[in-house]
Amino acid sequence: AQKVTQAQTEISVVEKEDVTLDCVYETRDTTYYLFWYKQPPSGELVFLIRRNSFDEQNEISGRYSWNFQKSTSSFNFTITASQVVDSAVYFCALSEIGNTDKLIFGTGTRLQVFP
Amino acid sequence: DAGITQSPRHKVTETGTPVTLRCHQTENHRYMYWYRQDPGHGLRLIHYSYGVKDTDKGEVSDGYSVSRSKTEDFLLTLESATSSQTSVYFCAISDRRSSTDTQYFGPGTRLTVL
Repeated sequence: AQKVTQAQTEISVVEKEDVTLDCVYETRDTTYYLFWYKQPPSGELVFLIRRNSFDEQNEISGRYSWNFQKSTSSFNFTITASQVVDSAVYFCALSEIGNTDKLIFGTGTRLQVFP
Repeated sequence: DAGITQSPRHKVTETGTPVTLRCHQTENHRYMYWYRQDPGHGLRLIHYSYGVKDTDKGEVSDGYSVSRSKTEDFLLTLESATSSQTSVYFCAISDRRSSTDTQYFGPGTRLTVL
């Protein structure tokens, strides 16, 4: 069975601190996608990134970076120099490639960035 | 941003009444989904559609039905609402092409069943 675990329920940091959100997944599939979504206080869900299991290269987008490690079944998300606007709930999700109807979400990590 | 709207955005209803939530898309995507979001559970799939009149159950489908008579509209119906169906409901769409095989979400509907 597929499962996504986000063990950090809530994280609080002060602006400009770096913060890493952990995501650990379980799957028997050999090909799969991993996703991160952001849910700001306004409530909408915003797509951030999709990575496939073939590509373990880390990805950087501005202050955001993602570390994918198949050996530890983890897909961690780091925000560098956090800002108040980064305050949100962040969800990690998993699906099998070719069967992306079954999108399995973690329970989310609430990040609060204080000025 | 994906062109997805949900209506109503907020609704309060009483136990036992029927409720229909609407998801409308302007992207002409084939796949549409209904999720519910509850504390401690993340998002869970209720039903999804892979084309007009083609639907299938998700993880938490009991007490819900769906219909899709047009590509752009996907309706979620609670035949007889219960307090356990108080939740935030999200619609999502996807076109499933390999380059964009990602679900994009609507703004959500907050439903309260008293």
